[in-house]
Amino acid sequence: GNSVTQMEGPVTLSEEAFLTINCTYTATGYPSLFWYVQYPGEGLQLLLKATKADDKGSNKGFEATYRKETTSFHLEKGSVQVSDSAVYFCALSSLYGGATNKLIFGTGTLLAVQP
Amino acid sequence: DSGVTQTPKHLITATGQRVTLRCSPRSGDLSVYWYQQSLDQGLQFLIQYYNGEERAKGNILERFSAQQFPDLHSELNLSSLELGDSALYFCASGSRGLESTEAFFGQGTRLTVV
Repeated sequence: GNSVTQMEGPVTLSEEAFLTINCTYTATGYPSLFWYVQYPGEGLQLLLKATKADDKGSNKGFEATYRKETTSFHLEKGSVQVSDSAVYFCALSSLYGGATNKLIFGTGTLLAVQP
Repeated sequence: DSGVTQTPKHLITATGQRVTLRCSPRSGDLSVYWYQQSLDQGLQFLIQYYNGEERAKGNILERFSAQQFPDLHSELNLSSLELGDSALYFCASGSRGLESTEAFFGQGTRLTVV
């Protein structure tokens, strides 16, 4: 079945460091791919998305490119801030029963950015 | 603010009891999804409703049930509660059509079973 695998955390970085969080997926067909972020005590928020191969999603300095050949959707940011500390979830959306869709999440990666 | 409202925010109850979690989707959204987040299982999809009808079922226990009402709000009922049911329960709503592939999450209900 469809699944998402993302790198284990926690990832600890200093402010202004470069961030990569790896995400790979297994899916039939052509899923849409997402990164969600969960700040402490809050629900999940959509960070960015890509709906087809070679699409690049971007938001708030974060980027991820939909790579069908490597089935990957790695999250990157050039310079992280303390305020980026959160749990990041990679997800895919797959058709279910041909009429609807559901999000399948990875296990989440905790990012801790130190001043 | 995602526009999805969940109540209550926190719930503490005893084993064997029954609770109801409530979700109001974003205005105009027809789909409601329920997820369970626990430390050992991560984010697990439970069930989806679309315009009052059940559309997809995930890892939902038989002790759990859900429904979506004509005003589109949804309730998740958890019965015969066990310690292992302690988790964060999220509701999400989807965009207006079946083609939507994006979900907006509420802040969750933290259930503690003692």
